[in-house]
Amino acid sequence: NAGVTQTPKFQVLKTGQSMTLQCAQDMNHNSMYWYRQDPGMGLRLIYYSASEGTTDKGEVPNGYNVSRLNKREFSLRLESAAPSQTSVYFCASNQVVSETQYFGPGTRLLVL
Amino acid sequence: AQSVTQPDIHITVSEGASLELRCNYSYGATPYLFWYVQSPGQGLQLLLKYFSGDTLVQGIKGFEAEFKRSQSSFNLRKPSVHWSDAAEYFCAVALMDSSYKLIFGSGTRLLVRP
Repeated sequence: NAGVTQTPKFQVLKTGQSMTLQCAQDMNHNSMYWYRQDPGMGLRLIYYSASEGTTDKGEVPNGYNVSRLNKREFSLRLESAAPSQTSVYFCASNQVVSETQYFGPGTRLLVL
Repeated sequence: AQSVTQPDIHITVSEGASLELRCNYSYGATPYLFWYVQSPGQGLQLLLKYFSGDTLVQGIKGFEAEFKRSQSSFNLRKPSVHWSDAAEYFCAVALMDSSYKLIFGSGTRLLVRP
């Protein structure tokens, strides 16, 4: 039982490049989330998927797209990376909002 | 707008001393409240949560938190801090609407003096 896994762990991009961050959970959770963490700002929600087949914007969606590929997987895509997207990205999941969110180990992204 | 405030950016305590981390929230209804801990380079781990009932909740690693509705607070406490407690601590509020969102505070970094 791996919980929430994320790939890659680290990534360096040049401005304008694209990439996809992968997230998978093996807990049969309905809801999945993508956050970014920046110093002094806590975690901010980028996108979330309340259930398979649905996605919605969070607090900071600009510059990102998501795909809920199936119940297990929720990917985050940067189409044209910008230095402002340098951050640590966390994926999380839970069964329902009233239950604990389980977090992945994070992806550190540097955009030059 | 809903918000979570952690007024202390850094706190330093001596090993064995008691600890209290502050958290205040702004939300119209009684929220679901959480404390998470993040060790360096790691993801977030749930320490404890409050949904309803007894306002003093116990968590893992010897932590507890008390919900005070009149003060809109959910402070985290530990009677005796261990060096391994050095980490960043986040308070969070779950919005009880269709958005399924967690709102996080900006975090408090705990340093432990030997």
